[in-house]
Amino acid sequence: EDQVTQSPEALRLQEGESSSLNCSYTVSGLRGLFWYRQDPGKGPEFLFTLYSAGEEKEKERLKATLTKKESFLHITAPKPEDSATYLCAVPENSGYSTLTFGKGTMLLVSP
Amino acid sequence: NAGVTQTPKFQVLKTGQSMTLQCAQDMNHNSMYWYRQDPGMGLRLIYYSASEGTTDKGEVPNGYNVSRLNKREFSLRLESAAPSQTSVYFCASSEAYTGELFFGEGSRLTVL
Repeated sequence: EDQVTQSPEALRLQEGESSSLNCSYTVSGLRGLFWYRQDPGKGPEFLFTLYSAGEEKEKERLKATLTKKESFLHITAPKPEDSATYLCAVPENSGYSTLTFGKGTMLLVSP
Repeated sequence: NAGVTQTPKFQVLKTGQSMTLQCAQDMNHNSMYWYRQDPGMGLRLIYYSASEGTTDKGEVPNGYNVSRLNKREFSLRLESAAPSQTSVYFCASSEAYTGELFFGEGSRLTVL
């Protein structure tokens, strides 16, 4: 059973059209939820860490929020340069040394 | 800043051939990781090294071996490559007990 599920798999937006990406998780005793951005042909790049329900983090047009069951990545007035695959991840149940990643949401923002 | 450097960036192998993917980081991180990324499967952990001198299996270790050569370097070896090992391989590093991983740019491996 997947520990991390992301939706939608792909999302196409017009420039300026705000939306949200979802990451739901099933681990108990969450020790953090992590968001990454991955550009085509590149490795993932760290964006945010969220540790507790109600926590929010912002970076430019991105805001990540966390509840007890899921996290949202809100994208406000996106630009074409926000096009990328967004990944979320949680520490594995067996320890804190490794992350389990979701399959990602591929975001395409058209001018 | 170099960060995490992987070599080679591209490699084509025939079934049964062996090869080693090299990874080095210059951030003085304790922990290093090898992931593979396949379409529809996401990133999956192959092996990791929580600290120098230790290595542990991840989700998909079969067919691979690793060596933590020193604090900077962590190599991944395919002893007898199979077509199922066609993938993009990412090395990453982090401070211990943090989910902030720094990834290399990836090594694209094709096994014919």
